[in-house]
Amino acid sequence: DAGVTQSPTHLIKTRGQQVTLRCSPKSGHDTVSWYQQALGQGPQFIFQYYEEEERQRGNFPDRFSGHQFPNYSSELNVNALLLGDSALYLCASSIHRARSGNTIYFGEGSWLTVV
Amino acid sequence: AQSVTQLDSQVPVFEEAPVELRCNYSSSVSVYLFWYVQYPNQGLQLLLKYLSGSTLVKGINGFEAEFNKSQTSFHLRKPSVHISDTAEYFCAVSDLLSGGYNKLIFGAGTRLAVHP
Repeated sequence: DAGVTQSPTHLIKTRGQQVTLRCSPKSGHDTVSWYQQALGQGPQFIFQYYEEEERQRGNFPDRFSGHQFPNYSSELNVNALLLGDSALYLCASSIHRARSGNTIYFGEGSWLTVV
Repeated sequence: AQSVTQLDSQVPVFEEAPVELRCNYSSSVSVYLFWYVQYPNQGLQLLLKYLSGSTLVKGINGFEAEFNKSQTSFHLRKPSVHISDTAEYFCAVSDLLSGGYNKLIFGAGTRLAVHP
């Protein structure tokens, strides 16, 4: 059973460019969340997708947007990149309102460096 | 709104010694509590979680945590650590209301460094 898979694992972008990160959730999961983890900090919630709609959003500007596809996979897009966007971007998958408890699984992350 | 405070940014300890990583949370509603571990250059792995019931929760790799509602704490413990336990540990909360069922609020992390 494949877990949460993310791509690419590493990438370098220039200020002002745009980036797209991809995530496939764990089999059987229908909810995808994205987190930003800056160096030396804990992950910060960006947004969550369920049924192809953004359901919750953290304190991130509109430059951060996303999408969820019918197969539950998801993309995170960041426009007009800033140096401060350099971070590890983590995808998390879960089952929406799971009766068995709230187990959230994380991928290995995508390391984004903005130069 | 919820918040999580991990009281120690770094914890050095010798191999085979016991360790406690401290976590306090703030929330006006009932919460689920979690501990995740992050090894260098990797994602997050769930160590254990508290949903309800017994306040002592056992997880993987010999770790356990105790939920203390009156002190709003969820400290992580291991009676004897190994070199391989060297990693970053994150405490997190998730509320049960306002649609926050699957959203985690993390602490800043505690770096556990196990020395021979």
